[in-house]
Amino acid sequence: DVKVTQSSRYLVKRTGEKVFLECVQDMDHENMFWYRQDPGLGLRLIYFSYDVKMKEKGDIPEGYSVSREKKERFSLILESASTNQTSMYLCASREQNEKLFFGSGTQLSVL
Amino acid sequence: AQSVSQHNHHVILSEAASLELGCNYSYGGTVNLFWYVQYPGQHLQLLLKYFSGDPLVKGIKGFEAEFIKSKFSFNLRKPSVQWSDTAEYFCAVILKAAGNKLTFGGGTRVLVKP
Repeated sequence: DVKVTQSSRYLVKRTGEKVFLECVQDMDHENMFWYRQDPGLGLRLIYFSYDVKMKEKGDIPEGYSVSREKKERFSLILESASTNQTSMYLCASREQNEKLFFGSGTQLSVL
Repeated sequence: AQSVSQHNHHVILSEAASLELGCNYSYGGTVNLFWYVQYPGQHLQLLLKYFSGDPLVKGIKGFEAEFIKSKFSFNLRKPSVQWSDTAEYFCAVILKAAGNKLTFGGGTRVLVKP
């Protein structure tokens, strides 16, 4: 079965810190996604990537950047963390016309 | 911008009751439609999906959904719920013209009372 691994389950950071969230998938999927999940707002797409070094902005890209240097790895970067970025972050991957496979999520708290 | 609306934020019902969760999306064109479920403390899991063909789609755990193109809707149904169906349910849509961007609705929390 497909495995999507997020490096941290819980993170606590201070305002202004640079934060890296890592995601690795093992099924050679072309498409990878970063979402944040907040109560009442569902999942909102931050960025996605359809190939190595390719990226597209999602619905809420402000304050975030991404990196996809290798096909299996898709990193989300918070250049200067703020308290309103406290959230559950979910990475996902999929092949064309296939379902999305999610990681277990990273609960980030910014103090 | 594309958007996906789930009308109910919270639903509370008793075991054996029927469940219907609404989902509407805001644009025309060819779409792929999904329902995901997230049980407490677990990953999101795919319940069912629609790409083409029969607009009535059957998924896992007795769930089904009907795509009504004229109403831009993809409502989820289950005739008789169980306590174990307590979860949060998310509708999601891919607009084919927008590439691979999968947009989720805000979710509906379902509580089934034993």
